[in-house]
Amino acid sequence: GAVVSQHPSRVICKSGTSVKIECRSLDFQATTMFWYRQFPKQSLMLMATSNEGSKATYEQGVEKDKFLINHASLTLSTLTVTSAHPEDSSFYICSARDYRRATTEAFFGQGTRLTVV
Amino acid sequence: GQQLNQSPQSMFIQEGEDVSMNCTSSSIFNTWLWYKQDPGEGPVLLIALYKAGELTSNGRLTAQFGITRKDSFLNISASIPSDVGIYFCAGQLIETSGSRLTFGEGTQLTVNP
Repeated sequence: GAVVSQHPSRVICKSGTSVKIECRSLDFQATTMFWYRQFPKQSLMLMATSNEGSKATYEQGVEKDKFLINHASLTLSTLTVTSAHPEDSSFYICSARDYRRATTEAFFGQGTRLTVV
Repeated sequence: GQQLNQSPQSMFIQEGEDVSMNCTSSSIFNTWLWYKQDPGEGPVLLIALYKAGELTSNGRLTAQFGITRKDSFLNISASIPSDVGIYFCAGQLIETSGSRLTFGEGTQLTVNP
């Protein structure tokens, strides 16, 4: 149980275009999902917390108009990188928490490697 | 904000050796988690700790939640080549940060056959 699937695993896009990344909880419902960004040889940096049915909460320094998050159902959250630039190239990872569990650990998707050319 | 210091940053060991890594925090957590990340993949949960002083094992892995609630360690015994990867600790304090995790900087483990 507790499988989180992220799609696509890799994407290359042209500068100025937008890219959507999906995060799905396959065998559980997630009221809360988290989006992280990871640069090479660095740790995971939380970008935003996605709450089903409400607006996402963004971390300081993360532009909400650039990184659009939608959490329309209990099993799906999407991150859209708008007007992508080369500096947005990174590894984006989502995680989700099974709200039925008494414990609070989060399970991660496999990540999306975004390359903006 | 909360700061997590993870050490060592990297380790190069021979197959069969034991490994130890730890994390310390500037403030308390009520949950400590240890993850392993392979290249190009998301982190995979190894061990979760929920109680100060708790010692938990998962196969060759053992982790402990420090009594002060500000530290945790992870031990790997009899390492094998597939233990290679980056290990991250993560702390969580529900009262102030909800489900948000604070990650350590990671420990890159290399195991030589």
